[in-house]
Order: sequence, then C-alpha cells, then structure tokens
Amino acid sequence: DTAVSQTPKYLVTQMGNDKSIKCEQNLGHDTMYWYKQDSKKFLKIMFSYNNKELIINETVPNRFSPKSPDKAHLNLHINSLELGDSAVYFCASSQVDRTNSPLHFGNGTRLTVT
Amino acid sequence: AQKITQTQPGMFVQEKEAVTLDCTYDTSDPSYGLFWYKQPSSGEMIFLIYQGSYDQQNATEGRYSLNFQKARKSANLVISASQLGDSAMYFCAMRDPLGTGNQFYFGTGTSLTVIP
Repeated sequence: DTAVSQTPKYLVTQMGNDKSIKCEQNLGHDTMYWYKQDSKKFLKIMFSYNNKELIINETVPNRFSPKSPDKAHLNLHINSLELGDSAVYFCASSQVDRTNSPLHFGNGTRLTVT
Repeated sequence: AQKITQTQPGMFVQEKEAVTLDCTYDTSDPSYGLFWYKQPSSGEMIFLIYQGSYDQQNATEGRYSLNFQKARKSANLVISASQLGDSAMYFCAMRDPLGTGNQFYFGTGTSLTVIP
C-alpha cells in the first residue's frame, strides 16, 4: 500500500535515554515533515525536509535531530529525553509544487518519558 | 500571529443532523490551500477535503462540504447527516506558499461529539 509509515507506534522510555523514530513514505513526495502533538492536541511543526535539505527548523531543542538519508526517509533522533518530550510525534509528507497536495500523515508515535 | 483560528473547542450534534465547524485564516498570499483533517480517538490524521484559493466553487466530498467565503477569510466545514463515527477532533489547516518552507499551519481543533 502507498502510505507514510512510522515506527514504533509506542515508545516508553526513561528520562535521559536516547531514542529514534523512523519514517518512510512511498508516495514519491519531495517534502517530509515532523509534527509534535501535545496533550491538548495542538499540532506544532518541528522540521521540514525538501529533497533531503532542511527547510524548516522551528524552535526545537538541539536534543532533537532529524536525519534524511534520502527523500523517502526522515528519521527523528532524540537525545537525553525529558518528561516534557512526552507527546505524539507525526511524520508527514507532501508534494511542494502542488498546492492541492495535502499532508499525508503516518499513524503517529506516542512517546512516553518516565 | 495566528494563521488559522478555530473558535469552537467542542461541538455537539444530534445524529443525522448537519453541523458546521468554523475556521478562519490569515494570509496575504493570493494563492493558498485550505484543508480539513479528522482525528478519531484512534489517533490517525485523516485528510477530508481541500479548497484552493482560486476555486470558484465550494469543495464537496461525500457528506463533507466547505463553505468558503474568501472575503471573510473563512472556510467552514459542513458535515451533513452526522453519524456516530463522525465523533472526532477536526483540524483546519492552511498551506501558505509564502510561509517558510511551504508549511502547513494548523488550527487548535474542534472536538465533535455526535449524540445518538
């Protein structure tokens, strides 16, 4: 199936640990994103990559580092996890040169830091 | 500045009735796209409907339609014949090409509950 897939779906870890979330899209899109959804359901853009180039880097702690090995993959690595990092993280993709191209979301990764 | 505003944190509708979810937006770009997403309790984000700024007609997709009023900068989602499965969070979003990285701006969402 064509889709955006991210793994893992759930991630429970302790403070101070380092973790990664992987994302892959097979829609042929040129732009991928990471969004964070907090407990109030607010969706906040974290990063955007266009053809492997970082385009958006919102005010996100340096502990968060995206990596895009190719335009179909955008992984998120988080160092020294903190309690406040607990949230749902969504990967998404879109085609920049088509205004009507919606964001296609992965199913989200629920990160719980204890 | 807030790009997308959804003023209804929660809405209730009787099953089989129609409901309108409000969305206003702010942009100075003449070319932009407006999107609505549904997020059920299972958590996935589902794309519902798209309206382009140059589209002459309101978008429709099955029971979803968009009441697009460009001069008022509003793009309200209308759900007709509500079903229990429509209970979810609904997000309005705007793609603003003038914005950094062609990003999507999201509203704070409206929680819709369909009452049997």
